[in-house]
Order: sequence, then C-alpha cells, then structure tokens
Amino acid sequence: AQKITQTQPGMFVQEKEAVTLDCTYDTSDPSYGLFWYKQPSSGEMIFLIYQGSYDQQNATEGRYSLNFQKARKSANLVISASQLGDSAMYFCAMRENTGTASKLTFGTGTRLQVTL
Amino acid sequence: GAVVSQHPSWVICKSGTSVKIECRSLDFQATTMFWYRQFPKQSLMLMATSNEGSKATYEQGVEKDKFLINHASLTLSTLTVTSAHPEDSSFYICSAHRGGNYNEQFFGPGTRLTVL
Repeated sequence: AQKITQTQPGMFVQEKEAVTLDCTYDTSDPSYGLFWYKQPSSGEMIFLIYQGSYDQQNATEGRYSLNFQKARKSANLVISASQLGDSAMYFCAMRENTGTASKLTFGTGTRLQVTL
Repeated sequence: GAVVSQHPSWVICKSGTSVKIECRSLDFQATTMFWYRQFPKQSLMLMATSNEGSKATYEQGVEKDKFLINHASLTLSTLTVTSAHPEDSSFYICSAHRGGNYNEQFFGPGTRLTVL
C-alpha cells in the first residue's frame, strides 16, 4: 500500500482564491511527521510546513495551513490568497520515527496552476 | 542558515563514463545526508542514506556498486554514478539532516544528469 497518497495530479485555482491540496498517509508508527514541499520548475525543494503526529493544533505558516485529521490520516495543505508564484509541484511527505534522522517518503505530487 | 549546495547543477556525459556529484551543507554539520532521484514528472525516490564515517544504506533496488556514496566529512557527501548509461539520466537531489524542532531535512538545488 502507498504510504503517501496524493490523488490530485493537477489543480487549477484563480488568483487570490484559496486551494486545498489533498494528502492521505498510512503508517502504524504512533510517532511521525508530515511535510509539504513546493517544487518550482527550477527543481529545488522548498519546505513549506510541518505537522507532528502529536501536535494538538494544525500547523500554519503564513498563507499555508495544514488541515490535519489524524483519525482520517489526512494532512491536506491549504493555500490562501493564491498568487501566480504559487504555480508549482507540491509534494506531501512523511517521516516515521521522528526521533532520528529518518528518511522521507514522498507522494506523487500535485501540479498547481494559478490563473488570472 | 541551513543552506545545502550541490555541484554541478547540471552535467552531460558520454555513456560509460563516471560522474561525481557533491552535496555540501554550508552552514551546519550534517551527520546524515540523503540522496534522491527524480525522473521527469515523477516523485522523489530515496536512493540511499549517507552517514558520516560509515557505509551508506541503500534502498531496495538501488545498485550500490553503481551509485557510490562517500560521506567523508560532516559537511560533504558525494554520489558517483559509475559507468553511466542513458537510463541513469535523471535529476539527483541531496538533502542534509539537521537536528532541531522538526529534525528537518534541507534540500540541495539538485543536479540534472544527462547521459548520451
């Protein structure tokens, strides 16, 4: 079974609107971390937001927020007030065993296109 | 802070030659670095975990004799693609682990390898 699932290969959003990118995960480890990264066409991976499995509140970083629903094993990224510069690939990733330098498992990504 | 560099940013080589890619953490020490490969329009796939002073741990299906990893110091890891073939053409990305709030991984800008 896929550990990280992103079901939206592509999304369109109008400038200034909000958009939600879906991510579900599968793990039996009680301690894990969830990440979202942005990858523009240049290829660099830009860290956006992190949610720990024991965090009580949803993570927020500026225009980015993470809708963490632990029982449903979902960690959707919400981007508010979309900008043209938000057009990029977005990857959800999970790290199990948060106490160590453990590897990340990535989803297949969602390509977001922001339109005028 | 937390900058990771990769060199070269792109390389073109002939089939059968070897190519070395460097990954450096510029302003922090990284006992663990990770090497990923990304084919066009696909996700990042972990190739190996590189630990300073010890042998790398390779993911299933990754040939350790073909992808040589050396983590010579706390700020440098190298990936050598030996006897490269066209199917090795890909985007190679490294990340360096820095302990802290998230046990974050900081990604390098990537190296695009084209084997003719």
